[in-house]
Amino acid sequence: EPEVTQTPSHQVTQMGQEVILRCVPISNHLYFYWYRQILGQKVEFLVSFYNNEISEKSEIFDDQFSVERPDGSNFTLKIRSTKLEDSAMYFCASSPLGQGMRNQPQHFGDGTRLSIL
Amino acid sequence: LAKTTQPISMDSYEGQEVNITCSHNNIATNDYITWYQQFPSQGPRFIIQGYKTKVTNEVASLFIPADRKSSTLSLPRVSLSDTAVYYCLVGDSNSGGYQKVTFGTGTKLQVIP
Repeated sequence: EPEVTQTPSHQVTQMGQEVILRCVPISNHLYFYWYRQILGQKVEFLVSFYNNEISEKSEIFDDQFSVERPDGSNFTLKIRSTKLEDSAMYFCASSPLGQGMRNQPQHFGDGTRLSIL
Repeated sequence: LAKTTQPISMDSYEGQEVNITCSHNNIATNDYITWYQQFPSQGPRFIIQGYKTKVTNEVASLFIPADRKSSTLSLPRVSLSDTAVYYCLVGDSNSGGYQKVTFGTGTKLQVIP
């Protein structure tokens, strides 16, 4: 069964540094998402991406964050100047074109653990 | 903003039926309600999705009342491998200019031999 893959599995970064998290969504999917999960807490939506632009975003997704689909396979999340509170597990997800992001199953990767020192 | 509430944890013996309820208000009118399963150090995995009444697939059933202010995930006969955290996912009806989905608070199910 095709799956969403994320790299690296663990990223350690100094506070204030830029970090890029990478994801390869399922090949025939057209909606892409980023979520984060702070240790011991629930999963939180960050952003959805469709047709090469941001479709929806939450209040967490401020100017420090950006997303990009640089080629036909990768989907990236960039955090420009990391803060201690950015430490979390970041999940990428994808879904096929359908009725919008809430009305179709999302396929999640196993996440990148981001640790800010 | 949509607010969701789930029991923090539940214990069940193997072979029992388990029902996990998510209370949710201010959810988007046209959006489905979705349930996910999460094992430690893994991403959430889709279980089932529905809009109203009852939906059943090969692993679970989902009950949604007419007012859509709650939903109940039913796992028919749990096994040890069902030990996981279960989340509902709903769309926000009004998020102050932001569009988003909200995961529930999560229910940690422990299946006991």
